[in-house]
Amino acid sequence: DTEVTQTPKHLVMGMTNKKSLKCEQHMGHRAMYWYKQKAKKPPELMFVYSYEKLSINESVPSRFSPECPNSSLLNLHLHALQPEDSALYLCASSQGGGRPLTGELFFGEGSRLTVL
Amino acid sequence: SQQGEEDPQALSIQEGENATMNCSYKTSINNLQWYRQNSGRGLVHLILIRSNEREKHSGRLRVTLDTSKKSSSLLITASRAADTASYFCATGLIQGAQKLVFGQGTRLTINP
Repeated sequence: DTEVTQTPKHLVMGMTNKKSLKCEQHMGHRAMYWYKQKAKKPPELMFVYSYEKLSINESVPSRFSPECPNSSLLNLHLHALQPEDSALYLCASSQGGGRPLTGELFFGEGSRLTVL
Repeated sequence: SQQGEEDPQALSIQEGENATMNCSYKTSINNLQWYRQNSGRGLVHLILIRSNEREKHSGRLRVTLDTSKKSSSLLITASRAADTASYFCATGLIQGAQKLVFGQGTRLTINP
Protein backbone atom coordinates (compact mmCIF):
# COMPACT_ATOMS: atom_id res chain seq x y z
CA ASP A 1 0.00 0.00 0.00
CA THR A 2 1.71 3.18 -1.19
CA GLU A 3 -1.16 5.56 -0.59
CA VAL A 4 -1.64 8.63 1.51
CA THR A 5 -5.35 9.16 2.07
CA GLN A 6 -6.83 12.56 2.86
CA THR A 7 -10.36 13.39 3.96
CA PRO A 8 -12.45 15.27 3.17
CA LYS A 9 -11.67 16.02 -0.48
CA HIS A 10 -13.62 19.28 -0.29
CA LEU A 11 -14.55 21.42 2.70
CA VAL A 12 -16.47 24.67 2.89
CA MET A 13 -16.52 26.44 6.22
CA GLY A 14 -17.44 29.76 7.73
CA MET A 15 -14.98 31.88 9.65
CA THR A 16 -16.45 30.83 12.99
CA ASN A 17 -16.51 27.10 12.30
CA LYS A 18 -14.22 24.43 13.70
CA LYS A 19 -13.30 21.64 11.33
CA SER A 20 -10.53 19.09 10.87
CA LEU A 21 -8.59 17.66 7.96
CA LYS A 22 -7.42 14.07 8.26
CA CYS A 23 -4.54 12.18 6.71
CA GLU A 24 -3.62 8.51 6.94
CA GLN A 25 -0.74 6.39 5.66
CA HIS A 26 0.06 2.72 6.19
CA MET A 27 3.52 2.60 4.66
CA GLY A 28 5.29 2.69 8.02
CA HIS A 29 6.66 6.14 7.25
CA ARG A 30 8.04 8.01 10.24
CA ALA A 31 7.59 11.60 9.03
CA MET A 32 4.33 13.28 8.04
CA TYR A 33 3.83 16.73 6.60
CA TRP A 34 1.18 19.37 6.02
CA TYR A 35 1.55 21.68 3.03
CA LYS A 36 -0.63 24.57 1.87
CA GLN A 37 -0.87 25.31 -1.84
CA LYS A 38 -2.49 28.30 -3.49
CA ALA A 39 -3.38 28.27 -7.18
CA LYS A 40 -0.38 28.30 -9.55
CA LYS A 41 2.05 28.35 -6.62
CA PRO A 42 4.33 25.69 -5.16
CA PRO A 43 3.38 23.83 -1.98
CA GLU A 44 4.38 25.71 1.19
CA LEU A 45 5.46 23.66 4.16
CA MET A 46 3.38 24.20 7.30
CA PHE A 47 4.27 21.43 9.77
CA VAL A 48 6.36 18.29 9.98
CA TYR A 49 5.95 15.49 12.50
CA SER A 50 8.77 13.01 12.86
CA TYR A 51 8.41 10.00 15.14
CA GLU A 52 5.04 11.49 16.17
CA LYS A 53 6.64 14.66 17.53
CA LEU A 54 6.33 18.11 16.01
CA SER A 55 9.65 18.70 14.29
CA ILE A 56 9.02 21.76 12.12
CA ASN A 57 6.44 24.55 12.50
CA GLU A 58 6.89 27.14 9.77
CA SER A 59 5.49 29.96 11.92
CA VAL A 60 1.95 28.98 11.02
CA PRO A 61 -0.87 31.01 12.67
CA SER A 62 -2.41 29.35 15.71
CA ARG A 63 -5.77 29.02 13.96
CA PHE A 64 -4.13 25.95 12.37
CA SER A 65 -3.45 23.24 14.96
CA PRO A 66 -1.74 19.99 13.94
CA GLU A 67 -2.07 16.73 15.77
CA CYS A 68 -0.39 13.35 15.28
CA PRO A 69 -2.36 10.76 17.29
CA ASN A 70 -0.14 7.89 16.11
CA SER A 71 2.43 7.08 13.46
CA SER A 72 -0.21 6.53 10.77
CA LEU A 73 -2.49 9.49 11.36
CA LEU A 74 -2.12 13.23 11.01
CA ASN A 75 -4.83 15.80 11.64
CA LEU A 76 -5.04 19.51 10.99
CA HIS A 77 -7.58 21.29 13.20
CA LEU A 78 -9.01 24.49 11.78
CA HIS A 79 -10.62 27.28 13.79
CA ALA A 80 -11.52 30.89 13.05
CA LEU A 81 -10.01 30.77 9.58
CA GLN A 82 -9.90 33.69 7.19
CA PRO A 83 -10.96 33.70 3.52
CA GLU A 84 -7.28 33.97 2.52
CA ASP A 85 -6.76 30.54 4.09
CA SER A 86 -8.73 29.02 1.22
CA ALA A 87 -6.31 26.68 -0.54
CA LEU A 88 -5.44 23.08 -1.32
CA TYR A 89 -4.05 21.40 1.81
CA LEU A 90 -1.72 18.54 1.05
CA CYS A 91 -0.55 15.83 3.38
CA ALA A 92 2.64 13.92 2.66
CA SER A 93 4.79 11.29 4.29
CA SER A 94 8.38 10.16 3.99
CA GLN A 95 10.10 7.00 5.11
CA GLY A 96 12.73 8.33 7.46
CA GLY A 97 12.00 10.55 10.43
CA GLY A 98 15.50 11.78 11.17
CA ARG A 99 17.20 14.96 9.96
CA PRO A 100 17.65 16.06 7.29
CA LEU A 101 14.01 15.66 6.29
CA THR A 102 14.85 15.52 2.60
CA GLY A 103 13.59 12.12 1.56
CA GLU A 104 11.11 11.27 -1.18
CA LEU A 105 7.63 12.55 -0.34
CA PHE A 106 4.44 10.62 -0.94
CA PHE A 107 1.50 12.99 -1.27
CA GLY A 108 -2.21 12.59 -0.78
CA GLU A 109 -4.67 14.08 -3.25
CA GLY A 110 -5.35 17.03 -1.00
CA SER A 111 -8.29 18.67 0.72
CA ARG A 112 -9.71 21.69 -1.11
CA LEU A 113 -10.70 24.20 1.58
CA THR A 114 -12.96 27.18 0.97
CA VAL A 115 -13.46 29.69 3.77
CA LEU A 116 -16.48 31.93 3.39
CA SER B 1 15.30 35.44 -4.62
CA GLN B 2 14.14 31.97 -3.72
CA GLN B 3 16.05 28.75 -3.14
CA GLY B 4 14.50 26.95 -6.09
CA GLU B 5 13.82 28.92 -9.23
CA GLU B 6 12.54 27.20 -12.32
CA ASP B 7 12.43 28.25 -15.90
CA PRO B 8 10.55 28.53 -18.02
CA GLN B 9 7.46 29.33 -15.93
CA ALA B 10 5.34 27.91 -18.75
CA LEU B 11 6.17 25.73 -21.74
CA SER B 12 3.91 24.66 -24.60
CA ILE B 13 5.10 22.12 -27.16
CA GLN B 14 3.72 19.66 -29.69
CA GLU B 15 3.22 16.03 -28.86
CA GLY B 16 6.30 14.02 -29.69
CA GLU B 17 8.73 16.88 -29.02
CA ASN B 18 11.13 16.95 -26.10
CA ALA B 19 10.52 19.23 -23.10
CA THR B 20 13.32 20.68 -20.99
CA MET B 21 12.83 22.42 -17.66
CA ASN B 22 15.54 23.99 -15.53
CA CYS B 23 15.94 24.52 -11.80
CA SER B 24 18.50 26.67 -10.02
CA TYR B 25 19.19 26.84 -6.31
CA LYS B 26 21.38 28.77 -3.90
CA THR B 27 22.53 26.69 -0.93
CA SER B 28 24.15 23.31 -0.39
CA ILE B 29 21.91 20.34 -0.97
CA ASN B 30 22.05 16.59 -0.42
CA ASN B 31 19.61 15.79 -3.21
CA LEU B 32 17.32 17.34 -5.78
CA GLN B 33 13.95 15.89 -6.66
CA TRP B 34 11.38 16.44 -9.38
CA TYR B 35 7.64 16.15 -8.86
CA ARG B 36 4.66 16.31 -11.21
CA GLN B 37 1.26 17.73 -10.34
CA ASN B 38 -1.82 17.35 -12.46
CA SER B 39 -4.29 20.19 -12.05
CA GLY B 40 -5.74 20.29 -8.53
CA ARG B 41 -4.26 16.92 -7.57
CA GLY B 42 -1.49 15.76 -5.28
CA LEU B 43 2.16 15.79 -6.29
CA VAL B 44 3.79 12.66 -7.63
CA HIS B 45 7.47 11.98 -7.14
CA LEU B 46 9.31 11.46 -10.42
CA ILE B 47 13.01 11.15 -9.69
CA LEU B 48 15.64 11.90 -7.06
CA ILE B 49 19.26 12.72 -7.87
CA ARG B 50 21.84 12.85 -5.11
CA SER B 51 24.42 15.60 -4.85
CA ASN B 52 27.21 13.21 -5.87
CA GLU B 53 25.37 12.13 -9.04
CA ARG B 54 25.49 13.98 -12.35
CA GLU B 55 22.81 12.29 -14.40
CA LYS B 56 19.91 9.95 -13.85
CA HIS B 57 17.37 8.31 -16.13
CA SER B 58 13.91 6.92 -15.54
CA GLY B 59 11.93 5.86 -18.59
CA ARG B 60 11.48 8.97 -20.75
CA LEU B 61 12.91 11.22 -18.02
CA ARG B 62 16.50 12.39 -17.85
CA VAL B 63 17.72 14.55 -15.00
CA THR B 64 21.08 16.26 -14.75
CA LEU B 65 22.63 17.98 -11.78
CA ASP B 66 25.52 20.43 -11.87
CA THR B 67 26.45 21.29 -8.29
CA SER B 68 29.14 23.75 -9.40
CA LYS B 69 26.47 25.81 -11.16
CA LYS B 70 23.79 24.90 -8.62
CA SER B 71 21.41 23.89 -11.35
CA SER B 72 19.44 20.91 -12.61
CA SER B 73 17.47 20.10 -15.70
CA LEU B 74 14.60 17.72 -16.39
CA LEU B 75 14.23 16.41 -19.93
CA ILE B 76 11.06 14.62 -20.98
CA THR B 77 11.56 12.90 -24.32
CA ALA B 78 8.86 12.06 -26.87
CA SER B 79 6.23 14.00 -24.95
CA ARG B 80 2.63 12.83 -24.73
CA ALA B 81 -0.61 14.70 -24.02
CA ALA B 82 -0.69 12.93 -20.63
CA ASP B 83 2.55 14.72 -19.67
CA THR B 84 0.57 17.98 -19.43
CA ALA B 85 1.05 19.03 -15.80
CA SER B 86 3.04 21.31 -13.52
CA TYR B 87 6.55 20.17 -12.70
CA PHE B 88 8.33 21.20 -9.51
CA CYS B 89 11.91 20.76 -8.45
CA ALA B 90 12.57 20.34 -4.75
CA THR B 91 15.98 20.83 -3.17
CA GLY B 92 17.06 19.02 -0.02
CA LEU B 93 18.71 21.53 2.28
CA ILE B 94 21.48 20.19 4.49
CA GLN B 95 21.88 23.40 6.48
CA GLY B 96 19.42 25.26 8.64
CA ALA B 97 16.00 23.63 8.71
CA GLN B 98 17.25 20.61 6.72
CA LYS B 99 14.06 20.21 4.71
CA LEU B 100 12.85 20.09 1.12
CA VAL B 101 12.16 23.41 -0.57
CA PHE B 102 10.01 23.51 -3.70
CA GLY B 103 10.70 25.69 -6.70
CA GLN B 104 8.04 27.82 -8.35
CA GLY B 105 7.26 25.20 -10.97
CA THR B 106 6.95 24.95 -14.73
CA ARG B 107 3.52 24.54 -16.31
CA LEU B 108 3.93 22.19 -19.26
CA THR B 109 1.27 21.90 -21.96
CA ILE B 110 1.55 19.21 -24.62
CA ASN B 111 -0.56 20.00 -27.66
CA PRO B 112 -1.90 17.00 -29.64
